[in-house]
Amino acid sequence: EPEVTQTPSHQVTQMGQEVILRCVPISNHLYFYWYRQILGQKVEFLVSFYNNEISEKSEIFDDQFSVERPDGSNFTLKIRSTKLEDSAMYFCASRVAADYGYTFGSGTRLTVV
Amino acid sequence: GENVEQHPSTLSVQEGDSAVIKCTYSDSASNYFPWYKQELGKRPQLIIDIRSNVGEKKDQRIAVTLNKTAKHFSLHITETQPEDSAVYFCAAQIDMNTGFQKLVFGTGTRLLVSP
Repeated sequence: EPEVTQTPSHQVTQMGQEVILRCVPISNHLYFYWYRQILGQKVEFLVSFYNNEISEKSEIFDDQFSVERPDGSNFTLKIRSTKLEDSAMYFCASRVAADYGYTFGSGTRLTVV
Repeated sequence: GENVEQHPSTLSVQEGDSAVIKCTYSDSASNYFPWYKQELGKRPQLIIDIRSNVGEKKDQRIAVTLNKTAKHFSLHITETQPEDSAVYFCAAQIDMNTGFQKLVFGTGTRLLVSP
C-alpha cells in the first residue's frame, strides 16, 4: 500500500534556528496538508496546498512558516525561527482528490530547546 | 465556527466488551467523517469513514453511525481486544471559503482494553 513518507523522524533544534521538515506524498495525490499535534493534544490543521500554491492556512501558520513543493515529489514545511512552543509532532497528509480519504505520514517529532 | 467535540476522553473496557465513542460537529455542511486510530508515537491510521449520504457503515468489528440532523456521529467497536487499545480521533471535513476542504479533529479518546 502506498505511503506518505516524512523525514527526519525526530529533529532537535535550538530556539531561533530554522528547520525544514520534508514529506514525500503519494505519487498521484494532488492535495497536500501539514498538521501538527502538541503532545497529548488533538491534531490541528496548519496549511493546505494545491496546484503549487497555498489554498488555506490556519491562524497557527504565521509568517514564520512556509511550504514549498520544489519538485514533483517533495513537499516541505519550513519554520524560519523556531520557538519553544513549536515543539510538536508534525504530520504531512495527502489525498488524490477532493472528497477522498486523507493519508497521513509517520510524522516528524520536532523538539525546540 | 468549526468545532468537533469528542467524548469520553478516556474509556476503559474489559476484553470482549463493546466500546462507543461519540462526536458532535458544528458545521452542518460537513460531509465526510473519518475515524483515526493512533498508537503511541505513531501516525493516525484511518480505520473507518462515513459520508453524509449514508447513516451507518460497518467493517467487521467496527461500525460508524451518523445522525446528520443532530450532527452526531459515533464509533462502535464490538468484541474489543487488547490490541484495540489506542487513542481514537474523530474528524469532520470542513469546506473552507476558498472551496477547499480540511479535516477538523476531535480531542481524542484514550481506549484501554484490559485482558
